[in-house]
Amino acid sequence: AQSVTQPDIHITVSEGASLELRCNYSYGATPYLFWYVQSPGQGLQLLLKYFSGDTLVQGIKGFEAEFKRSQSSFNLRKPSVHWSDAAEYFCAVGEDSWGKLQFGAGTQVVVTP
Amino acid sequence: SQTIHQWPATLVQPVGSPLSLECTVEGTSNPNLYWYRQAAGRGLQLLFYSVGIGQISSEVPQNLSASRPQDRQFILSSKKLLLSDSGFYLCAWSLGQVGHTEAFFGQGTRLTVV
Repeated sequence: AQSVTQPDIHITVSEGASLELRCNYSYGATPYLFWYVQSPGQGLQLLLKYFSGDTLVQGIKGFEAEFKRSQSSFNLRKPSVHWSDAAEYFCAVGEDSWGKLQFGAGTQVVVTP
Repeated sequence: SQTIHQWPATLVQPVGSPLSLECTVEGTSNPNLYWYRQAAGRGLQLLFYSVGIGQISSEVPQNLSASRPQDRQFILSSKKLLLSDSGFYLCAWSLGQVGHTEAFFGQGTRLTVV
């Protein structure tokens, strides 16, 4: 069975500093990979996705993620965080075209002045 | 463009009462539809998904049911709520096509069972 692990439950970062959120997955084939962001009390917004091709994908809000098959990872990065990036971030894996997603437990990001 | 509407935004219901949460999608046809539940610190759990009218698949056994009476309408129901049904419920849709399996989420319903 597929699984998604986000090792960091909580990360605190200073405004302007770089951010990296880790995601590891367990899946037999090449999965569909996603990063979502959730503001408090809100739904989830898609940041970026990977299906195939270039392993470095660009998303919205200045985020990027890199798929590393050898490490079964799909880490999310941003060079310089803004206070508005404070939110919870979820990594997700899709197993097929049905669109069913397996989510990690999420990483809460706090941005300090 | 496609939009997804989910209501109500918040709901407080007594134990044993019925539940009906509604979700509608605009701007697309024959979407795949999903109900997820989010518990604190546990990410999202897929409850139900539907690939067409009247077609519902349940991912986990529970006190809830889902229905899809129209192409772009998805309803989550319960006959008698339990305390454990409290949580944040999210409806989502996707095209369900290879290369386009990302899900788009509604704003969610915060359900508190008291």
